[in-house]
Amino acid sequence: GENVEQHPSTLSVQEGDSAVIKCTYSDSASNYFPWYKQELGKRPQLIIDIRSNVGEKKDQRIAVTLNKTAKHFSLHITETQPEDSAVYFCAAASGGYQKVTFGTGTKLQVIP
Amino acid sequence: NAGVTQTPKFRILKIGQSMTLQCTQDMNHNYMYWYRQDPGMGLKLIYYSVGAGITDKGEVPNGYNVSRSTTEDFPLRLELAAPSQTSVYFCASSYPGRGNTEAFFGQGTRLTVV
Repeated sequence: GENVEQHPSTLSVQEGDSAVIKCTYSDSASNYFPWYKQELGKRPQLIIDIRSNVGEKKDQRIAVTLNKTAKHFSLHITETQPEDSAVYFCAAASGGYQKVTFGTGTKLQVIP
Repeated sequence: NAGVTQTPKFRILKIGQSMTLQCTQDMNHNYMYWYRQDPGMGLKLIYYSVGAGITDKGEVPNGYNVSRSTTEDFPLRLELAAPSQTSVYFCASSYPGRGNTEAFFGQGTRLTVV
């Protein structure tokens, strides 16, 4: 089955700096890569996603890049703010969403 | 729309007891899922369903059972609870095929088995 590895497990940045979280996947059939943000004690919520026919997608301060050949994708947060502090999960899915596999999560701390 | 609703929010079970975690969604989503999240860990898929009457095992199904008699409801049954089942359980739903395969999560159920 699919295996998703996520790095780093924890990340501390100064407010205003950029943060990058990287994931790799093993199943070449995976074609959908969502990213979720989970604030402490709350449910995961989708922040951005990318499909395999696109190499990059951007939404304000958040961007995701995908390298299908290398089977890795990354989340980039620019101009980080304290409210960006949370756990971020990457995921990979194929054939719709029913076989999604999550990474182990990255705890991001933005220091004011 | 209420989205995905889970009950209860918290529960303490004794070893060997059984319980059902309820999950209902009002978005007419075909796909529903149950995940567990252990402290400091990611989400692991327990069971999923692609429609009423259809369920399948995920990554960690042992010790759990599900049913999907309606589109709206997807209860998770724990039989003979064990300490290893202490976790936060999330139900989610999605509707692949509309071009938006976003999963919507319930607020979670924090279960402790003692």
